[in-house]
Formats: sequence, structure tokens, C-alpha cells
Amino acid sequence: SQELEQSPQSLIVQEGKNLTINCTSSKTLYGLYWYKQKYGEGLIFLMMLQKGGEEKSHEKITAKLDEKKQQSSLHITASQPSHAGIYLCGADRGYQKVTFGTGTKLQVIP
Amino acid sequence: DADVTQTPRNRITKTGKRIMLECSQTKGHDRMYWYRQDPGLGLRLIYYSFDVKDINKGEISDGYSVSRQAQAKFSLSLESAIPNQTALYFCATMAENTGELFFGEGSRLTVL
Repeated sequence: SQELEQSPQSLIVQEGKNLTINCTSSKTLYGLYWYKQKYGEGLIFLMMLQKGGEEKSHEKITAKLDEKKQQSSLHITASQPSHAGIYLCGADRGYQKVTFGTGTKLQVIP
Repeated sequence: DADVTQTPRNRITKTGKRIMLECSQTKGHDRMYWYRQDPGLGLRLIYYSFDVKDINKGEISDGYSVSRQAQAKFSLSLESAIPNQTALYFCATMAENTGELFFGEGSRLTVL
């Protein structure tokens, strides 16, 4: 079973709209990763969060980790077609054993 | 050249055959990982290694074995491939100081 739950599983938004993807763990995490994958290709590192309450931004993408370090959200502002792909959250469960969620498939309609 | 290189990139094989997927890295990282990706299931951890003498099972190690021949090389083997091992396989390394994972381009395996 997947220990990391992502929601929604898929998302279709119109270009220019904002969107949020969530990642939830039943256990406290040592680190939380966000990666993006274009269909059938390799993974691109977006950001890593390690401290409770931490927030990081890169261009139009912002990720937050809650105080308990069990939930993270990824927010995209003013989405563009280049944002389309699969977004994966990953978790360091200690001793650098890193597992991933099921992924969220994002489509952006021009 | 890519920092994490996987070979082969694509492979079609038959049930019962032995298959080896190879991963090499030029990043000098000790930590290396093998994942498989299936539609709707995200990435699942197969094995991970912290050095040549330290190999650990992940979430779905049954049916797989690994070999860490050197710091730079980490191979994944399927002793007797079966159709439900058809998937996209990724190798990754971890930078110890930042925790960032660096992925290869993936190896697409089809077992008929």
C-alpha cells in the first residue's frame, strides 16, 4: 500500500488558473520532495522541504510543509501548458529511505 | 553526458528470461536507488544501497535482486522475468548533504 497519498489523482485546468496538489502521510516525515515528470520521461527536481512550516518557491510553484511534517501542498499560480505533467511527492522516512506517492496528472488547456 | 545513466533504455523480453538493468553515475554519490513506475501507482522503491556493502530492500523487492559493483554502478536483475514486471524502471542517486535525488532517464521493460 502507498504510505503517501496524493490528491487529486488527476487535474484538468484552464491556462491561467491556479491549482493545488496535496500530499499526505500518516507518519511524520524527515523530508518531503516534489518532482515533476513529463509523460514517460525522467523526473525533474522541484524542491525539498525539511522543516515544519517551511515554504519554498520556484518561479510560479510554491510548496509548503505543515508544522507536523505530515502534509504538504504544491501550488501553481497562473498555470501554463508547460506545467503539464505528473507531479510526484516523495518522503524521506528516515535513514534516507525515500518512497513516493501515486502522483497527480496535470493537464493545462490553452 | 547525463550524470545518471541507465542501460538499456528500452527492452522487450519473454517470460522466464533473465534481465539486467544497469545504472552508472558520475556524481560521486554513495546512495543509489532503484524504483519502478506503473500507471496510477507512482514510483515504488525496489532496492537501495548506501555503499557497496550496504544493500537494503524497498517496498517491492520480491522477484528482483541487485548488485553494487562499485560506488558508481548499481545493477538491477530480474532472474526470471514475468509479465507483471513490465514497467518503467528508474535509477537514482542521492546527494548526502542536501538529500536531493537525481534520476536517470528510465529503462522501459516489456515482458511478453
